[in-house]
Amino acid sequence: ETGVTQTPRHLVMGMTNKKSLKCEQHLGHNAMYWYKQSAKKPLELMFVYSLEERVENNSVPSRFSPECPNSSHLFLHLHTLQPEDSALYLCASSQDFFPGEQYFGPGTRLTVT
Amino acid sequence: SQQGEEDPQALSIQEGENATMNCSYKTSINNLQWYRQNSGRGLVHLILIRSNEREKHSGRLRVTLDTSKKSSSLLITASRAADTASYFCATDEASGGSYIPTFGRGTSLIVHP
Repeated sequence: ETGVTQTPRHLVMGMTNKKSLKCEQHLGHNAMYWYKQSAKKPLELMFVYSLEERVENNSVPSRFSPECPNSSHLFLHLHTLQPEDSALYLCASSQDFFPGEQYFGPGTRLTVT
Repeated sequence: SQQGEEDPQALSIQEGENATMNCSYKTSINNLQWYRQNSGRGLVHLILIRSNEREKHSGRLRVTLDTSKKSSSLLITASRAADTASYFCATDEASGGSYIPTFGRGTSLIVHP
């Protein structure tokens, strides 16, 4: 799992907290993605960045705010989350913008209390 | 919106048996991919099949694609306990002039030693 790393691996936060998830890819890819995986639901694409420009925002609530300072790093800033936002958040990268093979990180398990 | 839908949702077999899981989708695609996910971890790319291909092999994996039926199948031969995981198909769904990756809910495979 040295290709795509995510920190932290686990996060517990209250509804009034502000936190950030970090993703880093060491593969020289040009596109990075944030996904949300909830129990018994399909994997949901949240954001895509290609060459540091956001390509797709899949109608995600504004309490989630992505940031892509360069092609290797991707952040997901979280604030005033709801309990239903508890999920596994997965980062992925690919050589170019989809379609194509994506490489996933191990995920951050987020619990909102 | 959900493009791919895997079937069955859960599959339990004995080591050495073959496992077959299916994916159906709704709109025309450029390619279809299969991924594996071990419990609580990131997804791992298994195989990509293009719309002009009918069958593809990779080790013990065999993928077929029937574009007339809008369906694909993943066959794992001579299964091992280590194959226990969830398996997802991903297709490209047209959205606003580009294609975005769309995943199904997955098939949970348990291989008993």
